Amino acid sequence: DQQVKQNSPSLSVQEGRISILNCDYTNSMFDYFLWYKKYPAEGPTFLISISSIKDKNEDGRFTVFLNKSAKHLSLHIVPSQPGDSAVYFCAARQGNTNAGKSTFGDGTTLTVKP
Amino acid sequence: DAGVIQSPRHEVTEMGQEVTLRCKPISGHNSLFWYRQTMMRGLELLIYFNNNVPIDDSGMPEDRFSAKMPNASFSTLKIQPSEPRDSAVYFCASSFDRDLEQYFGPGTRLTVT
Repeated sequence: DQQVKQNSPSLSVQEGRISILNCDYTNSMFDYFLWYKKYPAEGPTFLISISSIKDKNEDGRFTVFLNKSAKHLSLHIVPSQPGDSAVYFCAARQGNTNAGKSTFGDGTTLTVKP
Repeated sequence: DAGVIQSPRHEVTEMGQEVTLRCKPISGHNSLFWYRQTMMRGLELLIYFNNNVPIDDSGMPEDRFSAKMPNASFSTLKIQPSEPRDSAVYFCASSFDRDLEQYFGPGTRLTVT
């Protein structure tokens, strides 16, 4: 049973437009959510997170929205840049100590066209 | 800091051979995670350690896989004997207890022929 799902394997957008990446989860015990970005031949790198007590967290061009009732979160990138082209992983965890583990989605490949 | 260091970066071996992947976590981090990434299964957690102790190895595929963390600065993931279906990219990640995020190494691309 996959607890974190990214249903869109790929997304293509034009430079300057908004990119919206989606993620759904099934475990209501998850209370922290993270997005990671991965370039080819590199490991994933942390991008932004959100706690379940919030519904929005913003960091520059990146904003994550959380809808707890729908068990859905999304990452918005505005404006999108070619350098944002990468695989984006959604992750979820219980608790804010790292003795616990994160559960990852399968990733969405974002391509930003110049 | 050099970040999480993994070696080798690439490994090609024949079926039946033993493979050992190595990881040096970021100094001061006390949690270490081994992941496997494949096209079919995405990024899956194999095992993680906290303060050098294995906490959850439920993701380890089978007895052919074993992991150790003899000290805070080194961990190994061993596959013996290796099989073609083990071909994947294996990532090591580390973190500090109070941090939400994990820091990933560059990965080891394993090909078993």
